[in-house]
Amino acid sequence: KAGVTQTPRYLIKTRGQQVTLSCSPISGHRSVSWYQQTPGQGLQFLFEYFSETQRNKGNFPGRFSGRQFSNSRSEMNVSTLELGDSALYLCASSLATSGGKETQYFGPGTRLLVL
Amino acid sequence: ELKVEQNPLFLSMQEGKNYTIYCNYSTTSDRLYWYRQDPGKSLESLFVLLSNGAVKQEGRLMASLDTKARLSTLHITAAVHDLSATYFCAVKNTGNQFYFGTGTSLTVIP
Repeated sequence: KAGVTQTPRYLIKTRGQQVTLSCSPISGHRSVSWYQQTPGQGLQFLFEYFSETQRNKGNFPGRFSGRQFSNSRSEMNVSTLELGDSALYLCASSLATSGGKETQYFGPGTRLLVL
Repeated sequence: ELKVEQNPLFLSMQEGKNYTIYCNYSTTSDRLYWYRQDPGKSLESLFVLLSNGAVKQEGRLMASLDTKARLSTLHITAAVHDLSATYFCAVKNTGNQFYFGTGTSLTVIP
């Protein structure tokens, strides 16, 4: 079974630009979550999508948005990039069964550098 | 906001020794997760602990959960070099949001 894939793997942007990252979950997984990892702030939850609906959202500004398609693939968008948005962005998928027992499977991440 | 604290942040241990990583969290939760991250790599799920007193073991790693004390431990037995990595605990709150600890960077030296 193929794992979680993320594209692109590396990205360099300049301040003020916008960026779209893509995540393809494991086949059959309906939940996709996004995380930002930085040396200073650690791992922070961005949002979770389930069946094309945003189910949970972390404490990030509105410049961070996402969506999920009917095939469970997800994209996240960051508009008006700031230097502080430089980070590793991780996507994780899970079966999202009831009771929260599901294990999350993480993709390799997209490393974003904002200049 | 839920706070998750891990200690130690850095751990250097000799091969063959035992040690424990601690994960404390600030609010009620009965769902705790442990992950491993190798340098430059993504996260790998190690354990999912879902009830008070839960204990899970895989190889030289054993994780436990005490929901009353809001504490989870990851015990390493007879460490080997392959265990060198950063270990994260994460807690899911009632809103199904994940909160991660700061991570413990483990180096096992010969």
